[in-house]
Amino acid sequence: AQTVTQSQPEMSVQEAETVTLSCTYDTSESNYYLFWYKQPPSRQMILVIRQEAYKQQNATENRFSVNFQKAAKSFSLKISDSQLGDTAMYFCAFSLTSGSRLTFGEGTQLTVNP
Amino acid sequence: NAGVTQTPKFRVLKTGQSMTLLCAQDMNHEYMYWYRQDPGMGLRLIHYSVGEGTTAKGEVPDGYNVSRLKKQNFLLGLESAAPSQTSVYFCASSYYGGTYEQYFGPGTRLTVT
Repeated sequence: AQTVTQSQPEMSVQEAETVTLSCTYDTSESNYYLFWYKQPPSRQMILVIRQEAYKQQNATENRFSVNFQKAAKSFSLKISDSQLGDTAMYFCAFSLTSGSRLTFGEGTQLTVNP
Repeated sequence: NAGVTQTPKFRVLKTGQSMTLLCAQDMNHEYMYWYRQDPGMGLRLIHYSVGEGTTAKGEVPDGYNVSRLKKQNFLLGLESAAPSQTSVYFCASSYYGGTYEQYFGPGTRLTVT
């Protein structure tokens, strides 16, 4: 069974600064996908970024980038130039390519302060 | 496209009552899922479906039943609600293949008293 761990229940950052959210996972599979989802106070789950395990290059989406360390089973999210609208709960999630179920971490509540 | 929609958005039940949550998607996705979200625990998979007429158990299936009679709809039923089922319920869908990205509905907040 796959597990996902987010060890930072809460984090805060000043507007315009950079913050990194941590995620580790455990699996015996070699092919899989990793995701970061954002859940603002509206409760809607929004996909932020995804990473295919077979790709060595780290994924980037505008101000969001990941540091994917396959051997260490680590998948951190870096948010640059933080904005007030980035305030949300962030979930790390894992999915096997041969299946479609998402396994989520516990979440990290990020607060961006003005 | 409306994406994934859920009905209702809020509901309060008394212990022992029954109800059905409806999930609908207009993206022609094969896979559909029901999750529950509890404080400090992330989202946990209740049941899922890989196609019309098929369902399977997820991580926390006890006390719930599901049906997928039409490809676009996935129903979650509570036959005899319990306070432990107070939670926020999310439906999601995805297409087979590709990156397995899941598209989520807006959630249903259920309170069982």
